[in-house]
Amino acid sequence: EIVLTQSPTTIAASPGEKVTITCRASSSVSYMYWYQQKSGASPKLWIYDTSKLASGVPNRFSGSGSGTSYSLTINTMETEDAATYYCQQWSSTPLTFGSGTKLEIK
Amino acid sequence: EVQLVESGGGLVQPGRSLKLSCAASGFTFSNYYMAWVRQAPKKGLEWVATISTSGSRTYYPDSVKGRFTISRDNAKSSLYLQMNSLKSEDTATYYCARHPHNYGGYPHYYFDYWGQGVMVTVSS
Repeated sequence: EIVLTQSPTTIAASPGEKVTITCRASSSVSYMYWYQQKSGASPKLWIYDTSKLASGVPNRFSGSGSGTSYSLTINTMETEDAATYYCQQWSSTPLTFGSGTKLEIK
Repeated sequence: EVQLVESGGGLVQPGRSLKLSCAASGFTFSNYYMAWVRQAPKKGLEWVATISTSGSRTYYPDSVKGRFTISRDNAKSSLYLQMNSLKSEDTATYYCARHPHNYGGYPHYYFDYWGQGVMVTVSS
């Protein structure tokens, strides 16, 4: 099983600040996927195929990485970006998710 | 608009069974692999099951293999999850989710649409 380790677990950022969330895989994966989940809501696909933004995702978001290290970056933090972000891989079964990074507004 | 609406959750005693349903609309259901993903209270996401377009192939993690069964009825655009021998650790919100596919129809095992979720509580 590929274990995905996200860091940090929690982060607080001020509006306008740059934010980077990291996801490290225990073995190499081909692509990484990211989901945004706001409190009380279901997850939403946010980034797919490592760097492609899902429909409706603002272009202040970006994704990058390869092998065992991937990241999600917000160029300029906005209040609406406060949420928990999860990474996910499907290079091997079982499909696994990271434990999540909670992004708060400072 | 793609919609996935789960139902069938509730409170169930350990060792008992429960069947969840998911009604799909807004897309050609029979063309897509489908899945269930769960989230224990205040915890992260866990993949539970995936089913092929025809229903002939199913996939599970070890944590539910042999206890849970995913199925579908393409005529009714519905997805199901039969959960047997339930344990307290199965307590979670269960989401119905869709796997997208490429232009050749090959499934990609991430999730592009999610339902609103249904709560299952296993407790005596």
